Amino acid sequence: EAQVTQNPRYLITVTGKKLTVTCSQNMNHEYMSWYRQDPGLGLRQIYYSMNVEVTDKGDVPEGYKVSRKEKRNFPLILESPSPNQTSLYFCASAEYRAQQYFGPGTRLTVT
Amino acid sequence: LAKTTQPISMDSYEGQEVNITCSHNNIATNDYITWYQQFPSQGPRFIIQGYKTKVTNEVASLFIPADRKSSTLSLPRVSLSDTAVYYCLVVLSGSARQLTFGSGTQLTVLP
Repeated sequence: EAQVTQNPRYLITVTGKKLTVTCSQNMNHEYMSWYRQDPGLGLRQIYYSMNVEVTDKGDVPEGYKVSRKEKRNFPLILESPSPNQTSLYFCASAEYRAQQYFGPGTRLTVT
Repeated sequence: LAKTTQPISMDSYEGQEVNITCSHNNIATNDYITWYQQFPSQGPRFIIQGYKTKVTNEVASLFIPADRKSSTLSLPRVSLSDTAVYYCLVVLSGSARQLTFGSGTQLTVLP
């Protein structure tokens, strides 16, 4: 089944403790992206990647890192999480940028 | 980036046709218009994409006038399960570009 998977689905952590949210797709898509969604602010793009080893900043990249060492994986790294990064995170992939396939989401709480 | 404007919310009744209009006055020649649907706590799902005139699939129709400064998503005979947020995006096809989701339109279908 074609899908985008994210892990973990739920995470509660403390300020400053490094964490990684994994994202994997099995559709051989070149394009992958991370979004965060907050009430009243909608979906905002954090980083995107056009292909392996090619990443670029989205609208809200501060406090996040990404890497694209393999085509199928696009992990999101929070080196020192802060409470303002509490959010619902979505990973997406696409063959054509407009028709993106989204993962199930990761709900992150930073205390 | 072409900015989009859509109504914040709309109500409809089961069985009715719903039309959601999106304004994109600054759309560029190579931009495509794309619509997504999102249910609470789920990732957005691609609905339809078009460049001009009319596009129809099994879920919806997309009407784009000649000047392409607006578009209308048409949902035929909505049901309660169509209650969701609908996002209009303008996407440049064929080049590296970040995507921006607006605030979307909350469609509520009433019995």
